[in-house]
Amino acid sequence: QVQLQESGPGLVKPSGTLSLTCAVSGGSISSNNWWNWVRQSPGKGLEWIGEIYHSGSTTYNPSLRSRVTISLDKSKNQFSLKLSSLTAADTAVYYCARKRDNNYYYNMDVWGQGTTVTVSS
Amino acid sequence: DIRMTQSPSSLSASVGDRVTITCRASQTITTYLNWYQQKPGKAPNLLIYGAVSLQSGDPARFTGSGSGTDFTLTISSLQSEDFATYFCQQTSSAPYTFGQGTRLEIK
Repeated sequence: QVQLQESGPGLVKPSGTLSLTCAVSGGSISSNNWWNWVRQSPGKGLEWIGEIYHSGSTTYNPSLRSRVTISLDKSKNQFSLKLSSLTAADTAVYYCARKRDNNYYYNMDVWGQGTTVTVSS
Repeated sequence: DIRMTQSPSSLSASVGDRVTITCRASQTITTYLNWYQQKPGKAPNLLIYGAVSLQSGDPARFTGSGSGTDFTLTISSLQSEDFATYFCQQTSSAPYTFGQGTRLEIK
């Protein structure tokens, strides 16, 4: 059974860069799935950030594209999120999630527990 | 971006009630529609995918229907563990957008 676990700093400074990692256990990051980041804040609800495939192919939310980088490390079976030029609006709970392909019906069937990130000086 | 609008935003009901939550997409998404349940302090949990398919392990009292732009999630007989927030999500095209959520509360 695949499990995901986020890690990273809980407090980051405005204008800084957020770096989070999602460790994948119970399965391979090279499987036929997409690996996603989603965030949730009271003001904006659930917001999809972007995703990466094991080939390295990425898709980002256009609203964040200029500030986001998602990468993966197959040797460690994990993937990562970097979000730059942070403001208070980036304060949220950040989740990693697996996007599964059920005959082209994509869905996020496995989620990490979430990590709270606060942007504040 | 495809906008997802849920109604109602909140709902009060009793154990045993039948409840329906609706989700409308701003453009057609055929059946690329998922429903999630989220409890306080927890990650969303997949309930329904492809508009009508029940995720393995989830109770059969949850049913999904709809296609095109209009979708519903029905809980046939509410149980105490069903009081939570429910979200719809479209995966027809990126960015994959979510509804604003429907909070289901105990009456």
